[in-house]
Amino acid sequence: EPEVTQTPSHQVTQMGQEVILRCVPISNHLYFYWYRQILGQKVEFLVSFYNNEISEKSEIFDDQFSVERPDGSNFTLKIRSTKLEDSAMYFCASSEGGGPDTQYFGPGTRLTVL
Amino acid sequence: GEDVEQSLFLSVREGDSSVINCTYTDSSSTYLYWYKQEPGAGLQLLTYIFSNMDMKQDQRLTVLLNKKDKHLSLRIADTQTGDSAIYFCAGVWNTGFQKLVFGTGTRLLVSP
Repeated sequence: EPEVTQTPSHQVTQMGQEVILRCVPISNHLYFYWYRQILGQKVEFLVSFYNNEISEKSEIFDDQFSVERPDGSNFTLKIRSTKLEDSAMYFCASSEGGGPDTQYFGPGTRLTVL
Repeated sequence: GEDVEQSLFLSVREGDSSVINCTYTDSSSTYLYWYKQEPGAGLQLLTYIFSNMDMKQDQRLTVLLNKKDKHLSLRIADTQTGDSAIYFCAGVWNTGFQKLVFGTGTRLLVSP
């Protein structure tokens, strides 16, 4: 069964450094998403991406964050200058269509900012 | 905005039924989902229901939706130790159709 994959599974970085989290969505899916879960808190929506542009973003997704689909398979989340409060589990998801189409999630990348 | 709430913890014995509850605040048209998260794994979709339905059954899983009370439940029949996990209720509303809003998750512990 096709699945969403994410790399790395765990990333440790120093405050102020840039990180790139990578995702490979399911191959025939057209919509891509990033969510995060700070330890002990709810899973929160960050951004959705379609047709090479952001279609919706939350107030969390400020100028420090960016997303990109650099080739036909990868979908990346970049955090330009990490803060301690960026430490969280980051989940990538994809869906075949937009709207309420089911979103399929990857296993997550745990980001630890020291 | 939309908000989704769940109880944090449920403990049952193997073979019993488990009922995980969820409430939400926005009454507009919606899809509601149940996801399962096992330790170290991602969010696995279990089932979903649209707001024009009252019930959906899928093998051991039964979803009940009470639109008047904005209450959703997931019943797992004949619960097994392998069902131990965190269960998330989530929804999309027509005010932001691409954004899944999650509950806090309910940790289900199944004892032998």
